[in-house]
Amino acid sequence: AQSVTQLDSQVPVFEEAPVELRCNYSSSVSVYLFWYVQYPNQGLQLLLKYLSGSTLVKGINGFEAEFNKSQTSFHLRKPSVHISDTAEYFCAVRPANTGNQFYFGTGTSLTVIP
Amino acid sequence: DAMVIQNPRYQVTQFGKPVTLSCSQTLNHNVMYWYQQKSSQAPKLLFHYYDKDFNNEADTPDNFQSRRPNTSFCFLDIRSPGLGDAAMYLCATSRGQVQGADTQYFGPGTRLTVL
Repeated sequence: AQSVTQLDSQVPVFEEAPVELRCNYSSSVSVYLFWYVQYPNQGLQLLLKYLSGSTLVKGINGFEAEFNKSQTSFHLRKPSVHISDTAEYFCAVRPANTGNQFYFGTGTSLTVIP
Repeated sequence: DAMVIQNPRYQVTQFGKPVTLSCSQTLNHNVMYWYQQKSSQAPKLLFHYYDKDFNNEADTPDNFQSRRPNTSFCFLDIRSPGLGDAAMYLCATSRGQVQGADTQYFGPGTRLTVL
């Protein structure tokens, strides 16, 4: 069985400060990992994904994430946030070779304070 | 641009009155998904189609049905909406690469209000 845990439901951070949004997963098989961002009343937009290769993945809007297999984590980071980064962020996993399902975390609400 | 389109963006219906939400895609993806997302919660998978093969989640109420008449279109039918069905409904697609890395692409969602 797979599960995704986003430890922080809300993260307030001042503008231009760095931020880290945490994601841990549990799976008995290899997984592919994703971060999505959702702005109010909109769908989910793919930020970045880890499929294979380098464990440091760069995405859109200056975000990056690092896959740590030993800690089963895929934390999202940005060195300097902007007001426009205020949104809901979802971590998701897709087990390899086990069908078409994706499993989402409960989300982290990032609020950037001016 | 290839994309996932959902219509309408906002839908208001009355308690018990059937409603249909639509999704179309220009990505030519094999898999189409329907998610329900309530306020401040993660998207909850209702069902998905791999081509014409329908896959229902075990806890999806019978009140929710889906149709996929062709590759491009998929519909979500709510037969008798209750107040608890008010939510954002998200459609997503993916290529369906079981052996490889697959990625979901989401539409903008339809916000359903039940009066």
